[in-house]
Amino acid sequence: GENVEQHPSTLSVQEGDSAVIKCTYSDSASNYFPWYKQELGKRPQLIIDIRSNVGEKKDQRIAVTLNKTAKHFSLHITETQPEDSAVYFCAASMWAGTASKLTFGTGTRLQVTL
Amino acid sequence: DGGITQSPKYLFRKEGQNVTLSCEQNLNHDAMYWYRQDPGQGLRLIYYSQIVNDFQKGDIAEGYSVSREKKESFPLTVTSAQKNPTAFYLCASSIRAGAGNEQFFGPGTRLTVL
Repeated sequence: GENVEQHPSTLSVQEGDSAVIKCTYSDSASNYFPWYKQELGKRPQLIIDIRSNVGEKKDQRIAVTLNKTAKHFSLHITETQPEDSAVYFCAASMWAGTASKLTFGTGTRLQVTL
Repeated sequence: DGGITQSPKYLFRKEGQNVTLSCEQNLNHDAMYWYRQDPGQGLRLIYYSQIVNDFQKGDIAEGYSVSREKKESFPLTVTSAQKNPTAFYLCASSIRAGAGNEQFFGPGTRLTVL
């Protein structure tokens, strides 16, 4: 099955700096890559996603890049703010038979310091 | 987010007891999912259902059971066969099964085995 590795497990940046979180996946058939943000004590929420026919996608301060050849995708957050502090999960999804399922990375705890 | 509820928020169970976690959605979503979240391990898929009266095992189904008798409801039973049930359980739904369909998460149930 699919395996998703995520690095780093923790990341501390100063407010205003950029943060980058990297993920690799194992199954070349995966074609959908969402990123979820989970604030302390809350549910995960989708913040951005990318499909395999696109190399990069941006939404204000957040961007995701995908390298299908290397089976690698990354989340970039620019001009970080304290409210960006959370745990971020990458995931990969593929159509498998009659259904698809997400395989998640182990998460990155981002701490934005003042 | 919003429209998918889980109950109870906290649940305590004695060893050897079965317990059922509730998940309800009013989003008219076809697909529903159960995940287990442990520190440092991300989200792992327990069971998923594409449609009423149908469900499939995820990556860690042993010791768990589900039913999908109604579109709105997907209860999870943690049986006494689950060796390490203490965890945070998240239910999710998507409009349909398939790569590219955003999964919306419930607020979670924290289960503690005493």
